[in-house]
Amino acid sequence: AQKITQTQPGMFVQEKEAVTLDCTYDTSDQSYGLFWYKQPSSGEMIFLIYQGSYDEQNATEGRYSLNFQKARKSANLVISASQLGDSAMYFCAMREVNSGYSTLTFGKGTMLLVSP
Amino acid sequence: KAGVTQTPRYLIKTRGQQVTLSCSPISGHRSVSWYQQTPGQGLQFLFEYFSETQRNKGNFPGRFSGRQFSNSRSEMNVSTLELGDSALYLCASSLGTSGLQQDTQYFGPGTRLTVL
Repeated sequence: AQKITQTQPGMFVQEKEAVTLDCTYDTSDQSYGLFWYKQPSSGEMIFLIYQGSYDEQNATEGRYSLNFQKARKSANLVISASQLGDSAMYFCAMREVNSGYSTLTFGKGTMLLVSP
Repeated sequence: KAGVTQTPRYLIKTRGQQVTLSCSPISGHRSVSWYQQTPGQGLQFLFEYFSETQRNKGNFPGRFSGRQFSNSRSEMNVSTLELGDSALYLCASSLGTSGLQQDTQYFGPGTRLTVL
């Protein structure tokens, strides 16, 4: 079974609008971390935002926020006021703390295109 | 603080050859993980090294190997290259603390390997 599911292969949004990228996850661990990364065409993975399973508040980092719904096992990324530079692949990833490893499991990604 | 660096950035090899990729982590990070990214398979975990020991390993054949040095720098080696090994190889570093939920991995720019 897939541990991280991103159901949107591609999303289109107009500049200055908000967009939500979906992510659902599957784990039996109580302690885990959820991460979002951005990958521009250059290839480098850029860390955007983190949410811990014990965090009671949704994480925010500038224009990025994470809509964390633990019971539904979803961790959607919200980008407010989209910019042209936001066009990229976006990956949701999870780290299961009980494994003892730093290993991340990634979803297949969502390609976001921002139009003027 | 300097980020994660990877060398070389681009490589072209022929089938049957071997290749060594290098990764220098962020100063103070003791964990280095390697991932393979292809259009078909997405991001797949290769292995993680922590304090010069392989701590976790993904589902790849023995042709893929790695090591970590005392300064946390890591190398990965692929022997007897196959066409299917063409991919972007990403290295990521983190503190590597086992019980830490937010053990954020920071990625290097990647090495793009083409096997002809």
